[in-house]
Amino acid sequence: DTEVTQTPKHLVMGMTNKKSLKCEQHMGHRAMYWYKQKAKKPPELMFVYSYEKLSINESVPSRFSPECPNSSLLNLHLHALQPEDSALYLCASSQDPGTSGEYYNEQFFGPGTRLTVL
Amino acid sequence: AQKITQTQPGMFVQEKEAVTLDCTYDTSDPSYGLFWYKQPSSGEMIFLIYQGSYDQQNATEGRYSLNFQKARKSANLVISASQLGDSAMYFCAMALPTGNQFYFGTGTSLTVIP
Repeated sequence: DTEVTQTPKHLVMGMTNKKSLKCEQHMGHRAMYWYKQKAKKPPELMFVYSYEKLSINESVPSRFSPECPNSSLLNLHLHALQPEDSALYLCASSQDPGTSGEYYNEQFFGPGTRLTVL
Repeated sequence: AQKITQTQPGMFVQEKEAVTLDCTYDTSDPSYGLFWYKQPSSGEMIFLIYQGSYDQQNATEGRYSLNFQKARKSANLVISASQLGDSAMYFCAMALPTGNQFYFGTGTSLTVIP
C-alpha cells in the first residue's frame, strides 16, 4: 500500500467552527508532514512529525493544532480560522526522517483537503 | 534565501514533442537530494524522479529524465514524447541533511497542446 489518504476532500467552515483534517498512511513511514498551498504557489511547510514527535513547527498560528496519535495517523485541528487560511492542505509522509547521507527519501503526498473559510 | 529557482512560470509544448523544465539550486552542502513532482489540477503531488548529489549518472524514470549538471547547480527535468495528461504544475525540490524539510521551487505550469 503506497498511498496517503486524506479526509475530507473538501471542507467549508465558518470562522467560529472547530474542525479536523485527517491523514493516514500504511507504508511504515516515520515522518509525516502538513503543508499549506495557495493557488499557483508551492507548498509551504507547516509541521513535521518525526517518530510521532513534533520536530518542526514553522511558526504556524495557534489556530492550527497538529496531533499525531500513532505512527500511521496525523490530524490537523482547526479553530477560529480566518478567510486567508483558505487553501489546499496537503499531508505527506516519508521514511527515515532526519537521516544524512547520500540518499534522501521522497515524500509521498495525499490528495489534499481543499479548505474554504467563510 | 531562495534555494530552488524555477524561471519558467509557464511552458507550452506540442503533443509528442520533448520539453525541458529548468531548475537551479543553491546550497553549499555537498550532500543533497533533488526531486521533481507533478501536480495536476486535482491537487495531488505526484513524485516523478530523484537525483542524489553523489549519483554519477542522470536519473531516468520512463519518459522522465533529469539532466543533472552539478557544476552549474542545475537539475532540469526532460519529458519526452509529451502527452495531454502531462499538463500540470511541476515543482522542483531539494532536501538537505539537516532536518526533514523540502525546499520547493515556485513551479512551472506545463500545457501540452494537441
